[in-house]
Amino acid sequence: GNSVTQMEGPVTLSEEAFLTINCTYTATGYPSLFWYVQYPGEGLQLLLKATKADDKGSNKGFEATYRKETTSFHLEKGSVQVSDSAVYFCALSATGANNLFFGTGTRLTVIP
Amino acid sequence: NAGVTQTPKFRILKIGQSMTLQCTQDMNHNYMYWYRQDPGMGLKLIYYSVGAGITDKGEVPNGYNVSRSTTEDFPLRLELAAPSQTSVYFCASRRGRDRGNEKLFFGSGTQLSVL
Repeated sequence: GNSVTQMEGPVTLSEEAFLTINCTYTATGYPSLFWYVQYPGEGLQLLLKATKADDKGSNKGFEATYRKETTSFHLEKGSVQVSDSAVYFCALSATGANNLFFGTGTRLTVIP
Repeated sequence: NAGVTQTPKFRILKIGQSMTLQCTQDMNHNYMYWYRQDPGMGLKLIYYSVGAGITDKGEVPNGYNVSRSTTEDFPLRLELAAPSQTSVYFCASRRGRDRGNEKLFFGSGTQLSVL
């Protein structure tokens, strides 16, 4: 079946620290992978995506690489800011599936 | 470009009352979804639709109904509200499920409390 396992939170970091949020997946076929971000009081919005193995998605200083051999799509940022405080969701779109599969979300808090 | 619009933003219901959460999108997307997000939890799929006149159940459909009479609108109906339905509800849409069209667009959510 299709599923996403995401690093449990919450995660608290100091400003300018390095961020990693782990995400692994199980899927049939060749899925596309996504990271969505939810800022307080808002809906989810797409942060980045990768549609095939070894692709790297990037946006706003965040990066994630589609690793087929380890079935992973870990989110990284070299230097977090207070404004990055949000909940981050890993998701996959499996071949032939009508819906996306989401992880449970990881809450990130960045303190000055 | 409005994207996905949900109304209302907040609502308090009494147990046993009914209501409809409205969702409309102006992107001509075929696929539409309803999710609920309980406090501190991830998203659970309630219902989805792959086009006008076609709907299907997600993970947690009990206590809800949907209809899709037009491409633009996908209302979610709660018939007999229960405290377990207290949650934040998100509507989302996407053009298709093939690569390049998979991106989900979300509304800003409806916060519902059932007391």
